[in-house]
Amino acid sequence: KAGVTQTPRYLIKTRGQQVTLSCSPISGHRSVSWYQQTPGQGLQFLFEYFSETQRNKGNFPGRFSGRQFSNSRSEMNVSTLELGDSALYLCASSRTGGEDVLTFGAGSRLTVL
Amino acid sequence: TQLLEQSPQFLSIQEGENLTVYCNSSSVFSSLQWYRQEPGEGPVLLVTVVTGGEVKKLKRLTFQFGDARKDSSLHITAAQPGDTGLYLCAGAGVGFQKLVFGTGTRLLVSP
Repeated sequence: KAGVTQTPRYLIKTRGQQVTLSCSPISGHRSVSWYQQTPGQGLQFLFEYFSETQRNKGNFPGRFSGRQFSNSRSEMNVSTLELGDSALYLCASSRTGGEDVLTFGAGSRLTVL
Repeated sequence: TQLLEQSPQFLSIQEGENLTVYCNSSSVFSSLQWYRQEPGEGPVLLVTVVTGGEVKKLKRLTFQFGDARKDSSLHITAAQPGDTGLYLCAGAGVGFQKLVFGTGTRLLVSP
């Protein structure tokens, strides 16, 4: 079966711009979680969506937002980009979310100049 | 403060050596998962341990869940270059509502 697909894989933006990342979960998975991964901070939880509702949120500023569509596909948006937003953004899906086993996508690597 | 601390942070060894990675917490977890992330990819689940004292083997990898369910270890026997990657433990526990990831251990196995 198809895995978790993230697009784009790589992107370069400048400070002040905004970016939208997309995630298509495994068929049948209703939960999508987003993580930010940096060398210094490790894997940091951004938010989780289940059946189009945000169920859990990490400790990130309001510039980070997300949504989930009725087909479980999810997008995350970062507005007013800062240099520190440069990171690998990982999406993970699971059947029930919460503490369920996660299947990760390959990530979207964002570089902010 | 990280709920799950992994040690060591970095490990560089030669092919054929044995190693152990530790995942420690002061919190009790109902289960613990181990993931491996290779360069350019997302983490991939290796194993889930759910019972205190449980030992699971996956070829040359041995995973153990502490009796008190606060810690776990991953032992690799005769490491190979293909074992290179970032190893992450992740805990599931009452009230957490989401997986809590460890700080990670980056392993490099040289031929």
